Amino acid sequence: GNSVTQMEGPVTLSEEAFLTINCTYTATGYPSLFWYVQYPGEGLQLLLKATKADDKGSNKGFEATYRKETTSFHLEKGSVQVSDSAVYFCALRRENFNKFYFGSGTKLNVKP
Amino acid sequence: EAQVTQNPRYLITVTGKKLTVTCSQNMNHEYMSWYRQDPGLGLRQIYYSMNVEVTDKGDVPEGYKVSRKEKRNFPLILESPSPNQTSLYFCASSFTTNEKLFFGSGTQLSVL
Repeated sequence: GNSVTQMEGPVTLSEEAFLTINCTYTATGYPSLFWYVQYPGEGLQLLLKATKADDKGSNKGFEATYRKETTSFHLEKGSVQVSDSAVYFCALRRENFNKFYFGSGTKLNVKP
Repeated sequence: EAQVTQNPRYLITVTGKKLTVTCSQNMNHEYMSWYRQDPGLGLRQIYYSMNVEVTDKGDVPEGYKVSRKEKRNFPLILESPSPNQTSLYFCASSFTTNEKLFFGSGTQLSVL
């Protein structure tokens, strides 16, 4: 079946630390991959996406590379800020299908 | 302002009392969908709609109904709510499934 597995949180970092949130997926074919972010009390917002193998999505200093050989889409940021504190969701959409599959979310806490 | 509007934000009800959660988007999006968010499970898709009068089941449709009589509206109906439907619900829309999803702010439902 189709699924997304994320590292469990919460992840607590100090400001300016390096961030990695792991995401691996199971899907047939060539899915599109996404990272969404949810700030407290709000809906999810698209952070970045990649639609084919070796693509790198990037936005607001965050990056993720679509690795088909390891079925992974890890989220990274070189220097986190307090304002990055949120819940991050990895997601996939299967090629030619209209359903999205989300991971369980990883909460990030950044301390000053 | 482009947005997805859900109402109500909070709802407390009792088992068996029919309720409707409304969702409206002002972006002329064709694709709309409903998700529920539960701790440790992430977001799971309930129903989705590709266009007016076209709806289909997601991964957890039991106990829910939807309708799409107009392009902008996609209400979620719980005919006979049960306590296991206590959850945080999100409506989302996009022009197509290749585009990013726009999420509403969520509806926190408690069924007693």
